[in-house]
Parts: sequence; C-alpha cells; structure tokens
Amino acid sequence: EIVLTQSPDFQSVTPKERVTITCRASQSIGSSLHWFQQKPGQSPKLLITYASQSISGVPSRFSGSGSGTDFTLTINGLETEDAAAYYCHQTSSSPLTFGGGTKVEIK
Amino acid sequence: QVELVQSGAEVKTPGASVKVSCKVSGHRVTQLAIHWVRQAPGKGLEWLGSFDPEDDETIYAPRFQGRVTMTEDPSTDTAYMELSSLRSEDTALYFCTTEAGHSWGQGTLVTVSS
Repeated sequence: EIVLTQSPDFQSVTPKERVTITCRASQSIGSSLHWFQQKPGQSPKLLITYASQSISGVPSRFSGSGSGTDFTLTINGLETEDAAAYYCHQTSSSPLTFGGGTKVEIK
Repeated sequence: QVELVQSGAEVKTPGASVKVSCKVSGHRVTQLAIHWVRQAPGKGLEWLGSFDPEDDETIYAPRFQGRVTMTEDPSTDTAYMELSSLRSEDTALYFCTTEAGHSWGQGTLVTVSS
C-alpha cells in the first residue's frame, strides 16, 4: 500500500500569505496525485488533478507541482474562504490512498 | 456535468448491514468508475473500493474485503455500496465519487450504535 505523508498537519496563516502543503509518497506514483479541499460539512472538492493540472472553476491562486514521490500544493495569496482541510490522493495503484490532511486556519 | 445524489442517513446496530445508494445523473452509471470513500467523525478520508466499467472489475481495499460489496443498476443509473458486519468503528460519512474525485455525492451518515 502506498502511504501518503502530508505536512504540516496544521497551519495558521494570515490572509494574502503564500501557503505550501507537501505530500510525500512512500514509492513513486508518477503524476497520479490529486489535491482536494474540504470545508466543514461539505464534500471534498477537486482542486488540482494529475499533480499540476488545473480544474475549471478553481481560482488560479491554487497550483500544484511535483512528480514521483514529492508533491506540493501552493496557495498564492490566501483568502479567508480558503480556510479548510486539504488532502492529497493517489490513484497510481490499488488500494487508493489519501494523505492525512492539512488543516489551514486563517489568523 | 455528472451529479451524484446519495440516500439518507442510516442508524444500524452492531452486526447489521447497510446499503447506501448513489444516483447518477448527467451520465450513464455504466460509463463511470464509481468509487466509495468514507470519513469517520473528525478524521481523514479512506477509500473503500470502486467498480470500473471498462474492465468490468470491482476492486476493494484489503481491509474491507469480504465485508463490502459494490454493485450497479443500469436501469436506474444507481450505484450501491453494502457494508456488512457493522461495528462502531464503521460510524462515518460515506461518499460516492467519480474517478479521481471530479464529482462527489453529498455523503450518507451511517451510525452504528447499540
């Protein structure tokens, strides 16, 4: 089973700051890595697919990078509405797995 | 645009089974790979398995193998996930989602309590 390790677990950030969340896979997964945002009481929402591909309707301040085992989600210019939990997810091999999540709080 | 609408909340006793439905609109269920993911209260996301119509194959996460069954009804474009031998640790919000998480259902809360 591929383990995804996210860091940090928690981040308290001032609006307009840049946020960087990392996701490390226990073995190479190519680019089969996706990022989700989940707000309390809501279903997860896809932000970035296949490591760096943007999703229609998602603000351009969200971007992804990486391949192999190391991946990054960047939020350039955090807005108050970005307070949420963020998860990475690999679809390279079964069983599919998720990272443990990163909670982003607005200061 | 694919829309997924799930069945309502369930309360079950330990040892019972639960069957959650996921109604697909905007696409035929037979043309989609439907995945099931759960989230225990205050916890992260956990993949249970999926049905891939291209391979006509169902894949279950090893820890749920033998307890979970995923099926589809093409006549109503509905996918189902049944989990048996329920225990308190199965209390969670269960989601259906499409490949790589492009679309999600609203979630079905399953509570297991005596």
